[in-house]
Amino acid sequence: SYVLTQPPSVSVAPGKTARITCGGNNIGSKSVHWYQQKPGQAPVLVIYYDSDRPSGIPERFSGSNSGNTATLTISRVEAGDEADYYCQVWDSSSEVFGTGTKVTVL
Amino acid sequence: QVQLVQSGAEVKKPGASVKVSCKASGYTFTSYGISWVRQAPGQGLEWMGWISAYNGNTNYAQKLQGRVTMTTDTSTSTAYMELRSLRSDDTAVYYCAREPVLVAAAPFDYWGQGTLVTVSS
Repeated sequence: SYVLTQPPSVSVAPGKTARITCGGNNIGSKSVHWYQQKPGQAPVLVIYYDSDRPSGIPERFSGSNSGNTATLTISRVEAGDEADYYCQVWDSSSEVFGTGTKVTVL
Repeated sequence: QVQLVQSGAEVKKPGASVKVSCKASGYTFTSYGISWVRQAPGQGLEWMGWISAYNGNTNYAQKLQGRVTMTTDTSTSTAYMELRSLRSDDTAVYYCAREPVLVAAAPFDYWGQGTLVTVSS
């Protein structure tokens, strides 16, 4: 089965840029979606189809996807961005989620 | 506005079954599918399967084949997920999530609030 690997944690100072990677075999050929999940809450879609933002998601959130790595970038990080982030793809008739990354704002 | 409202928390004994509901509002129910995703305590997200509210077609995760059944009631815009032969490692928060039908590799754009299912003797 297809495996998506994310770093367990990323720490970033307020106002700086956080980059969260999602590694998978030839992931650049797939569509990647990203979700933000805060403690005790349901996930929220923040990026879809690699780089599109749903309405209501700040422009500070952006995405890219190429080769074996997809990346979620959060610019000008704020305290409210502290959360778990998951990537997701569709592969071989199954939805696959990444292992998840906890973003800590210092 | 789009809403997915799930049923309340459940406590079940090993070997029992649980049925979780997900009532949709604010959109045309039959134009979308519903996926079910679960999250064990302190763990990541696990996709369980999908049902089309348009025609009832299903696609279950291989790991759960034979134990899970997903259904819909279009008259009440409600989706259901039944999991049988419960084990302790089925303890998790169960989410329903909306995705378009007939759209390849679509994202889950709206989620329910989650239902905690605890399996304990």
